[in-house]
Amino acid sequence: AQSVSQHNHHVILSEAASLELGCNYSYGGTVNLFWYVQYPGQHLQLLLKYFSGDPLVKGIKGFEAEFIKSKFSFNLRKPSVQWSDTAEYFCAVIASGGSYIPTFGRGTSLIVHP
Amino acid sequence: EAQVTQNPRYLITVTGKKLTVTCSQNMNHEYMSWYRQDPGLGLRQIYYSMNVEVTDKGDVPEGYKVSRKEKRNFPLILESPSPNQTSLYFCASSLSLAGFGEQFFGPGTRLTVL
Repeated sequence: AQSVSQHNHHVILSEAASLELGCNYSYGGTVNLFWYVQYPGQHLQLLLKYFSGDPLVKGIKGFEAEFIKSKFSFNLRKPSVQWSDTAEYFCAVIASGGSYIPTFGRGTSLIVHP
Repeated sequence: EAQVTQNPRYLITVTGKKLTVTCSQNMNHEYMSWYRQDPGLGLRQIYYSMNVEVTDKGDVPEGYKVSRKEKRNFPLILESPSPNQTSLYFCASSLSLAGFGEQFFGPGTRLTVL
């Protein structure tokens, strides 16, 4: 079964700092990859997704993620964070050809100080 | 408006008192699932359903039941709740798994079992 690791559990940044959140998965086959965001008190929303094609994926609100197959990674990036990016971020994987059941990472809590 | 709804949003109950959390989606999605979210553990899948009358266990099914009699509804049933089921619960739906997989989440139900 696939697993997802998010190594940064808590990240604290100042506004305008650059962000990179790590996500690694364990599955040798084809995968669909997702980043979800959960703003305080709200439900999860999709930030971006990768199914195939260009490994650099751009999502909403200036976020992007790069799929590096050789490293089994799908790190989330943003060049300049804002206070409104304070949220919890979840990486998720669906193994194509497997059970198609999504596996979520444990989440990374991001706090951005104004 | 396309959405996933859950009721109730907040519930405080006592050990052993049966309860049901409802989930409904208006997007004609085939796939629905239930997650619980606990601090430091991220999202863990409880049950999922591929379609009407097709349900299966996720990672943490103990103490929970589900049913899928209609495509739009996927209630979560706790026959005899216990304090360790105190958590934040999310229902989610997806058009289908293969090739898509983006999940739409409900607003969450915060359950406290005393």
